[in-house]
Amino acid sequence: ETGVTQSPTHLIKTRGQQVTLRCSSQSGHNTVSWYQQALGQGPQFIFQYYREEENGRGNFPPRFSGLQFPNYSSELNVNALELDDSALYLCASSSARGVEQYFGPGTRLTVT
Amino acid sequence: GESVGLHLPTLSVQEGDNSIINCAYSNSASDYFIWYKQESGKGPQFIIDIRSNMDKRQGQRVTVLLNKTVKHLSLQIAATQPGDSAVYFCAENEGAGSYQLTFGKGTKLSVIP
Repeated sequence: ETGVTQSPTHLIKTRGQQVTLRCSSQSGHNTVSWYQQALGQGPQFIFQYYREEENGRGNFPPRFSGLQFPNYSSELNVNALELDDSALYLCASSSARGVEQYFGPGTRLTVT
Repeated sequence: GESVGLHLPTLSVQEGDNSIINCAYSNSASDYFIWYKQESGKGPQFIIDIRSNMDKRQGQRVTVLLNKTVKHLSLQIAATQPGDSAVYFCAENEGAGSYQLTFGKGTKLSVIP
């Protein structure tokens, strides 16, 4: 059984650019949630995808968007990057919109 | 707004002793709680969960206690080992169709060999 994987592991972008982060869910899981974790803080919920549709969203602006594909993998897109977007972006998968979520290793995004 | 928080940001424990990590929550609608362990450079790892209709749940070397009266959650680790050194987060879910987890800031556990 494969766990949650994310790519890339690290990324450096310039303010104003756009970024796409990718996540493959754990085998058997059809729901993907994205979280942002600033240094020294707990993860903050961005949104969740189930059956290729957004299923709940946290307090993040529209420039944070996502996709889920038929194979349940997912992308997080962030437009017009700001310095405060620098963080660890975590993807978590679960089964049938369950709350028991399993996290990937994260993508470390640095915006300069 | 309502959030999950922690009493102690750091905890140092002698190897072999028991550890207790505490968490206070303020959302009375929360009905599901999870403890996660996060090691440096890794994503959070699921440890144990508990639903609001329970007050205690045990796993391998870990026990979670839930006191709904005072909105308090704790994680007990028996015979703490150096590999237990990490940041521990409690997270809550309010149910009722909400699938997001709300995390506290975390407690750093350091195990002294």
